[in-house]
Amino acid sequence: EAGVTQFPSHSVIEKGQTVTLRCDPISGHDNLYWYRRVMGKEIKFLLHFVKESKQDESGMPNNRFLAERTGGTYSTLKVQPAELEDSGVYFCASSQGPARNTEAFFGQGTRLTVV
Amino acid sequence: AQSVTQLGSHVSVSEGALVLLRCNYSSSVPPYLFWYVQYPNQGLQLLLKYTSAATLVKGINGFEAEFKKSETSFHLTKPSAHMSDAAEYFCAVSQPGTYKYIFGTGTRLKVLA
Repeated sequence: EAGVTQFPSHSVIEKGQTVTLRCDPISGHDNLYWYRRVMGKEIKFLLHFVKESKQDESGMPNNRFLAERTGGTYSTLKVQPAELEDSGVYFCASSQGPARNTEAFFGQGTRLTVV
Repeated sequence: AQSVTQLGSHVSVSEGALVLLRCNYSSSVPPYLFWYVQYPNQGLQLLLKYTSAATLVKGINGFEAEFKKSETSFHLTKPSAHMSDAAEYFCAVSQPGTYKYIFGTGTRLKVLA
């Protein structure tokens, strides 16, 4: 069974450009999460989908970030326009049940560098 | 507010030596606690989790962790380090009623031959 897949694995863009990250969760997982790790710091929660609905987006930094989950399947995270401080590794995770009770499976992450 | 503190961003041990990675948490209610590991070029993988059952939790690859409420700690141990254990380890807390993890800053483990 395929795990959580993220692409691209790396992206280098200039400040002001737009980038879209994609996450394909494990098939059948209703819960999908986005996290971000800025270099040297902790992995921070961004948002949580249950199927296609945003359950919690309290961690989204600002309105330059837009997450969607089409039909409750894959998800995209768009950053527009990108700023230097957006650089980091973006992780996607999915789980069958709520994270507190079940294991969340993580993807390899997308390393975003804004120059 | 919940928080997780991992002491030591880098830990080096000799092959065959004890591995001890420290994690302290802050939570106003009994937490659920997790250890994840990230091997190079891979995603985070669950090592073990504590969800209010036994306080000594055994995980994969010979790792275990003990939940100590009085010390608010959940330290990760392994009796004998292998070269393959070199990775970054993350402690995380998730409170009942929430769906998100709060992670520590991670500890990078280096195993010396």
